Amino acid sequence: DTGVSQDPRHKITKRGQNVTFRCDPISEHNRLYWYRQTLGQGPEFLTYFQNEAQLEKSRLLSDRFSAERPKGSFSTLEIQRTEQGDSAMYLCASSERTSGSLGHQFFGPGTRLTVL
Amino acid sequence: KNEVEQSPQNLTAQEGEFITINCSYSVGISALHWLQQHPGGGIVSLFMLSSGKKKHGRLIATINIQEKHSSLHITASHPRDSAVYICAVSQGGSEKLVFGKGMKLTVNP
Repeated sequence: DTGVSQDPRHKITKRGQNVTFRCDPISEHNRLYWYRQTLGQGPEFLTYFQNEAQLEKSRLLSDRFSAERPKGSFSTLEIQRTEQGDSAMYLCASSERTSGSLGHQFFGPGTRLTVL
Repeated sequence: KNEVEQSPQNLTAQEGEFITINCSYSVGISALHWLQQHPGGGIVSLFMLSSGKKKHGRLIATINIQEKHSSLHITASHPRDSAVYICAVSQGGSEKLVFGKGMKLTVNP
């Protein structure tokens, strides 16, 4: 399977705990995006990497959120001191940006986080 | 007002009907995307377009840049078309997506 994968698919945690999610993009894709989707809403942009550089972060991404893409391949999203409002589906997408062309974003299956 | 608006929010149709989903946006874009989301969360990109019209099977997407409006048409709808259809626009150098709320389509046999 050469699609975008995310792990875990589901995470239940207690308020105040830290959680970390992983995203493995399509191997040749240089761009990686994290989005968050709450029930009944469209996804919202969180952050974006080009290769290993984190180039843009949404104001939605509070101090408790941190994302990395250390070698320009997989990425992790960590949420510290989780709150009930963090409960959502966390989606990862990747794309290949080449000079002069826009890239389709390919989405992973998402990680559903429930904070009790 | 959201930057990307979709209408209607929900639609129930009978198998075989022609379906149109509308999307309006209020910001500058590099491209407009139509995506499909099935229960359980998986999102699939259907179309990415910056002008004109694209067709894939029974699906047709059009965009009017001047009017900042796009439509997704489904011909000869089928129950397997039941899903949430999301319009999104890509912005800026990152081409991050700004999403509409989505439209839930139910096609009854």
